[in-house]
Amino acid sequence: DTEVTQTPKHLVMGMTNKKSLKCEQHMGHRAMYWYKQKAKKPPELMFVYSYEKLSINESVPSRFSPECPNSSLLNLHLHALQPEDSALYLCASSHPGTASTDTQYFGPGTRLTVL
Amino acid sequence: GQQLNQSPQSMFIQEGEDVSMNCTSSSIFNTWLWYKQDPGEGPVLLIALYKAGELTSNGRLTAQFGITRKDSFLNISASIPSDVGIYFCASTGGYYGGSQGNLIFGKGTKLSVKP
Repeated sequence: DTEVTQTPKHLVMGMTNKKSLKCEQHMGHRAMYWYKQKAKKPPELMFVYSYEKLSINESVPSRFSPECPNSSLLNLHLHALQPEDSALYLCASSHPGTASTDTQYFGPGTRLTVL
Repeated sequence: GQQLNQSPQSMFIQEGEDVSMNCTSSSIFNTWLWYKQDPGEGPVLLIALYKAGELTSNGRLTAQFGITRKDSFLNISASIPSDVGIYFCASTGGYYGGSQGNLIFGKGTKLSVKP
């Protein structure tokens, strides 16, 4: 099973709202990722968690706050977003180690619209 | 920085035709991955390549890891309408060290298939 699930599928929020995106995997992977993808562009890495610890933060604004409660779950907390933050947010997971185990599997994404 | 040059940017073909796309780089990589992405969905892993010279098939799809470790191609034989989408190459484990999270994407090839 190579399934990564994400909820919600769609999210519309105002600039003063607080919301959270959720991601879950049961493949035993110990690395999880958040990506942001704009239309017609490849995904851009935001955060990496390795063994439940934040290992990479690609200079993401503080209005995005990641959280990894356990090895299967990854959240992205959103607060005071801007309209330009509207995008498809993707979660991925992998098992860090050799090249073959470091292959990333993506979830279906959350389409976020900020009004 | 490390970049993947993916070509062509777009293709418009007749159903039943074969398709070929490729990615090149000036850097050496340890892994080449090919993903397909449908509109509004997350990328789905098609083929993963881990050894220079490796040739791997997945149904009508065939991909190869270039012998120089700087390129890869993806072929689709006898295209069908459901092959429509954006195909991304991605790579990790670059020459200067590939820790997990360093998944570099090509800009994508948009495939359109005319029935």
